[in-house]
Amino acid sequence: RKEVEQDPGPFNVPEGATVAFNCTYSNSASQSFFWYRQDCRKEPKLLMSVYSSGNEDGRFTAQLNRASQYISLLIRDSKLSDSATYLCVVIRNTDKLIFGTGTRLQVFP
Amino acid sequence: SQTIHQWPATLVQPVGSPLSLECTVEGTSNPNLYWYRQAAGRGLQLLFYSVGIGQISSEVPQNLSASRPQDRQFILSSKKLLLSDSGFYLCAWRGLAGKKETQYFGPGTRLLVL
Repeated sequence: RKEVEQDPGPFNVPEGATVAFNCTYSNSASQSFFWYRQDCRKEPKLLMSVYSSGNEDGRFTAQLNRASQYISLLIRDSKLSDSATYLCVVIRNTDKLIFGTGTRLQVFP
Repeated sequence: SQTIHQWPATLVQPVGSPLSLECTVEGTSNPNLYWYRQAAGRGLQLLFYSVGIGQISSEVPQNLSASRPQDRQFILSSKKLLLSDSGFYLCAWRGLAGKKETQYFGPGTRLLVL
């Protein structure tokens, strides 16, 4: 079993839709959680941190459920520019990031 | 602000040839630095990390090696490339995201071994 699991998608959604991605992790000792975004043939870029209390950044909301070992990312009012692969990242110590294989999102007009 | 550079951006090399990829960081001193590989359709795999000059930790046994000759320089090398070394090589440094630490990536080097 992979330490971080994501649905690979692709998720094909129209502009304006709300879409949610999920991620599960297996190691309960994991300390920090993030979502990264990776555009085609580019490096991953930090999108947002994930906290148990939930956090919001504009159209993006991230949530952590430690009891279920589950992380989510919600994107509201999807834009064409949101098309990318979204990577769930779990950190046990800051020298070892564990990446999911990513969920691909395609927003169409 | 911190920036991270990698070169070359793309590379096509024959099997058995040597490899040297370079990563440099600006705007920070004594950074923790990392080399990752992302094979086609797969997740990122940590190859090496370094907490300082001359200090290298290897995460997986393989055909590659790393060196840190200067504070802000991290080099990935191979004496003889294999077909399986093809992939997207990413250098990263450790920095803050709010109150938490995470890693930030350079633009990457795309390597194709033929």
